[in-house]
Amino acid sequence: EAQVTQNPRYLITVTGKKLTVTCSQNMNHEYMSWYRQDPGLGLRQIYYSMNVEVTDKGDVPEGYKVSRKEKRNFPLILESPSPNQTSLYFCASSSVDSDYGYTFGSGTRLTVV
Amino acid sequence: GDSVTQMEGPVTLSEEAFLTINCTYTATGYPSLFWYVQYPGEGLQLLLKATKADDKGSNKGFEATYRKETTSFHLEKGSVQVSDSAVYFCALMNYGGSQGNLIFGKGTKLSVKP
Repeated sequence: EAQVTQNPRYLITVTGKKLTVTCSQNMNHEYMSWYRQDPGLGLRQIYYSMNVEVTDKGDVPEGYKVSRKEKRNFPLILESPSPNQTSLYFCASSSVDSDYGYTFGSGTRLTVV
Repeated sequence: GDSVTQMEGPVTLSEEAFLTINCTYTATGYPSLFWYVQYPGEGLQLLLKATKADDKGSNKGFEATYRKETTSFHLEKGSVQVSDSAVYFCALMNYGGSQGNLIFGKGTKLSVKP
């Protein structure tokens, strides 16, 4: 089944403790992206990647890092999480040959206390 | 920069009522337009899309027409069901600009009552 898989689904952590949210897709997509969803703000892009070793900032990159060493994986790293990063995070992927937009993962609900 | 504006919610309708959710956009070039749906506790699913002016996207009884003259992509359904209760997001992707950035509206929550 074609899908985007994120882990974990839920995470509670403390301020300053480094964490990684993993994202993997099995569709051989070139584009991958991370979004955060907050009430009243909709979805905002954090980082995106157009292919292996090619990444760029989205609208809200501060406090986040990403890497794209393999085509299928696009982890999101929070080096020193803060409470304002409490949010619902979505990973998504897309093919450069398609106009159908992104396929989304099921989301990771992160709480930073 | 590019942006999407959609009507504020929540929208509450009775079953079998007609649905319209307005969406307008600002973008340079010729973006592709999308409607995504998010059911409670789930990720976003693509509902329909249109890639050029006057295209009509349709799926599951929902329709939207890409109107370049009014920069709009309104979502419509003739007869809603309780199972359509969800949050609906209008979005655009502008390949002429920042590639890979799917820009979303803030979402419209739809509740359908039996």
